[in-house]
Amino acid sequence: GAVVSQHPSWVICKSGTSVKIECRSLDFQATTMFWYRQFPKQSLMLMATSNEGSKATYEQGVEKDKFLINHASLTLSTLTVTSAHPEDSSFYICSARLGTSGSLNTQYFGPGTRLTVL
Amino acid sequence: AQSVTQLDSQVPVFEEAPVELRCNYSSSVSVYLFWYVQYPNQGLQLLLKYLSGSTLVKGINGFEAEFNKSQTSFHLRKPSVHISDTAEYFCAVSTTLYGKLTFGQGTILTVHP
Repeated sequence: GAVVSQHPSWVICKSGTSVKIECRSLDFQATTMFWYRQFPKQSLMLMATSNEGSKATYEQGVEKDKFLINHASLTLSTLTVTSAHPEDSSFYICSARLGTSGSLNTQYFGPGTRLTVL
Repeated sequence: AQSVTQLDSQVPVFEEAPVELRCNYSSSVSVYLFWYVQYPNQGLQLLLKYLSGSTLVKGINGFEAEFNKSQTSFHLRKPSVHISDTAEYFCAVSTTLYGKLTFGQGTILTVHP
């Protein structure tokens, strides 16, 4: 149980284009999804917290107009990198959480999406 | 705010040897503690978690961790490692209220034959 998928797993795009990444909880409903980015040989940095039906909460320093997050249902959240530039190249990982109390407050991670902007 | 420090960036060990990956945290409120493993080019897989109760937590793949509140530590241990345990391990903490995870810098465990 608690499987999270991401699509695509790998994407290459030209500078200036937009890229959409999907995150799905396959066997549970996630009240909250999180988006992280990970640079090579570094830890995960939280970008934003996404709650179903409401606006995402962005971490300090993350441009909300550049990284658009939509959490339209309890099983799907999308991250759109708008007008991508080479410095946006990174490994983007999402996670999903069942709830906030006790054992529900555990994040399950997707396999990640590697974005390369040329 | 909370923070996590993983004291070793790389830990090389021989197969079948015991291993301990160290993790210390800082927080002014109650926390939940987690260990995740990341294999190359993959997402994170939950190894184990401490939410409450017994301070010794057993996880998958023979790993265990002990929560020490007085030392604010949550070290990960395995009595005998395998080549397949080679991966990067992340310690993480979340507050009981908001659930945002804060990760340590990661420890690369390399198991040599």
